[in-house]
Amino acid sequence: SAVISQKPSRDICQRGTSLTIQCQVDSQVTMMFWYRQQPGQSLTLIATANQGSEATYESGFVIDKFPISRPNLTFSTLTVSNMSPEDSSIYLCSVEVPSGNPYEQYFGPGTRLTVT
Amino acid sequence: EDQVTQSPEALRLQEGESSSLNCSYTVSGLRGLFWYRQDPGKGPEFLFTLYSAGEEKEKERLKATLTKKESFLHITAPKPEDSATYLCAVHPYGSGNTGKLIFGQGTTLQVKP
Repeated sequence: SAVISQKPSRDICQRGTSLTIQCQVDSQVTMMFWYRQQPGQSLTLIATANQGSEATYESGFVIDKFPISRPNLTFSTLTVSNMSPEDSSIYLCSVEVPSGNPYEQYFGPGTRLTVT
Repeated sequence: EDQVTQSPEALRLQEGESSSLNCSYTVSGLRGLFWYRQDPGKGPEFLFTLYSAGEEKEKERLKATLTKKESFLHITAPKPEDSATYLCAVHPYGSGNTGKLIFGQGTTLQVKP
C-alpha cells in the first residue's frame, strides 16, 4: 500500500488567483495522478504525472490551467490557475503501486477548494 | 465509449440486512476493476482490485465478484459503520500507461441500527 498526504486539506480562494496543491507519498512511485471531484459528482482524471517527463493531460484539461510538477519519485504539485467558481472541487492525487496483483491505485485525502 | 454504471444510486439497509451493489461496465478491454469506499470529505479508500472474470475477493463483511460485464459488491450483515459511498472504477487497456480510471457515480449506502 501507500500513504499519501496532501496540502492544504482545504482552502477558500478568490477568483482570478492561483493555488498550488502538494502531494507527498511515503514511498517511491513511478506514476502519480491528479483527479477532480466536483460537488456531487464522481472522480475525473485531470492528468498523469511521471517523474522525468511532461504530464499527460486528459481531454478538457490544459497545462496553462493546471500546471503540474513532478520533481522526484515521492512528490508532485498541481496548480489551479486563474480560478473561477467552477473550479470549486475536491482535488485528489493518487499513485499506482505495484503489488502481487499486479498493481493497485491509492488516493490521498483530497484538497477541498472553494472559489468565491 | 468506455462507461461505468453503478446501481442503485442510494441504498438504505437495516443493520444485519445483507445486499449487493452492482457495477456494470463497457470497455474495449479490462486491465482491472477497482472498488473504493469514500466517506464524506475524504479521499477514496482502496478496497479491492479484480482482474479477470470469475475472480472473487473478500474483506471482512465485503465480497467483490467479477464477470465479463459487471461486478458485484456483496455486503453481508452490514453495520452502521459500513455507511459510505462505494465507488467502482475500471482501467481500460486502451488507456495505456496513463493510469486512467473511469469511475461510476457511486452507490451511497446507509445502514441503520
